[in-house]
Amino acid sequence: DQQVKQNSPSLSVQEGRISILNCDYTNSMFDYFLWYKKYPAEGPTFLISISSIKDKNEDGRFTVFLNKSAKHLSLHIVPSQPGDSAVYFCAASAQDSGGGADGLTFGKGTHLIIQP
Amino acid sequence: NAGVTQTPKFRILKIGQSMTLQCTQDMNHNYMYWYRQDPGMGLKLIYYSVGAGITDKGEVPNGYNVSRSTTEDFPLRLELAAPSQTSVYFCASSPPQIRPNEKLFFGSGTQLSVL
Repeated sequence: DQQVKQNSPSLSVQEGRISILNCDYTNSMFDYFLWYKKYPAEGPTFLISISSIKDKNEDGRFTVFLNKSAKHLSLHIVPSQPGDSAVYFCAASAQDSGGGADGLTFGKGTHLIIQP
Repeated sequence: NAGVTQTPKFRILKIGQSMTLQCTQDMNHNYMYWYRQDPGMGLKLIYYSVGAGITDKGEVPNGYNVSRSTTEDFPLRLELAAPSQTSVYFCASSPPQIRPNEKLFFGSGTQLSVL
């Protein structure tokens, strides 16, 4: 049973445009959400996170939006750059799991391709 | 600053062989983890450790063993390798701060094939 779903395996966006990556979750106990970015032959790297007490968190070109009622979050990248081409993983954790990464659930990832 | 270092980067095993995947971190992180990523799938937690001498099972621990004798090292042992263990393995660490200790630092991975 997938608790964190990224329904788009891939997404192609033109350079300079906005990239929107989506993530849905089913566990209402999730209260902390993260996005990781992964290049080929490298490990994932932390990108941005959001607590359930917020509905938006911004870091430079990256913004994460959280809609708790819809159990949906999205990552916006504006403007998209060639270096943003990577696989993006959504992840979630719940306070009642101890809040640690041992309770972290990952989605399957979305491969973002930025076209020149 | 090396961060999290994994060795080897690639390995091919025959069915029934054993091996140890090495992981070391130089950030003095208490928490360390082993994940596997199968093609087209998310990361699944195999084992984790909250400090030297303490380990616990994750979501998919069968066929693996770990030890944590020092803060720096967290090796993963595969006994009697099976084709189902063909995967990319990632080691990760995180500091012990109160939320977000979900912010993980990953190694570059080990591509393992069992034939």
